[in-house]
Amino acid sequence: NAGVMQNPRHLVRRRGQEARLRCSPMKGHSHVYWYRQLPEEGLKFMVYLQKENIIDESGMPKERFSAEFPKEGPSILRIQQVVRGDSAAYFCASSQYRGEETQYFGPGTRLLVL
Amino acid sequence: GNSVTQMEGPVTLSEEAFLTINCTYTATGYPSLFWYVQYPGEGLQLLLKATKADDKGSNKGFEATYRKETTSFHLEKGSVQVSDSAVYFCALELTGNQFYFGTGTSLTVIP
Repeated sequence: NAGVMQNPRHLVRRRGQEARLRCSPMKGHSHVYWYRQLPEEGLKFMVYLQKENIIDESGMPKERFSAEFPKEGPSILRIQQVVRGDSAAYFCASSQYRGEETQYFGPGTRLLVL
Repeated sequence: GNSVTQMEGPVTLSEEAFLTINCTYTATGYPSLFWYVQYPGEGLQLLLKATKADDKGSNKGFEATYRKETTSFHLEKGSVQVSDSAVYFCALELTGNQFYFGTGTSLTVIP
């Protein structure tokens, strides 16, 4: 049973470009969570999605960031017009049920904005 | 608000030494508490958890006890190995959706 998959593992963008981060949850999991880990900080919750629905986006910056989890395919975290401050590790986690305590994490995507 | 405070690292220990990584929390309700471990280049893996006061989580020789009176969940291991070198994150979970993580403590174990 494959774990949570994220790609790319490393992404380099210039300021003003778009970054697309993909997350495929564990098989049978329909709940996806995105976290951001800034340098020297812990992980911060960004958004929680279920298939085709955003359940909680209280941790998402109001501008330039969006997330989706379509009926088919991976969850996508999209950052438009990236700035240097977006450089971070972005982790995706999945769970089977809503409210399940254990979330399974992917290896993360390390975004570097030049 | 809800937050987790972890002992700052990095921590360097010799093999077979005793490990303690302190973790305290503030929470508006009754959280579940977790320790996650992140090996180099990998994602977070659940190490252990405790869901209510006085519960003890344990795994791979690591232990942590949920102490409501001191709002703590310190991680301990009696004898560390080189393979335990990693970053350890303490976390709490309240609503079933959202985790709050500490900043992580880097542990290096030298032979």
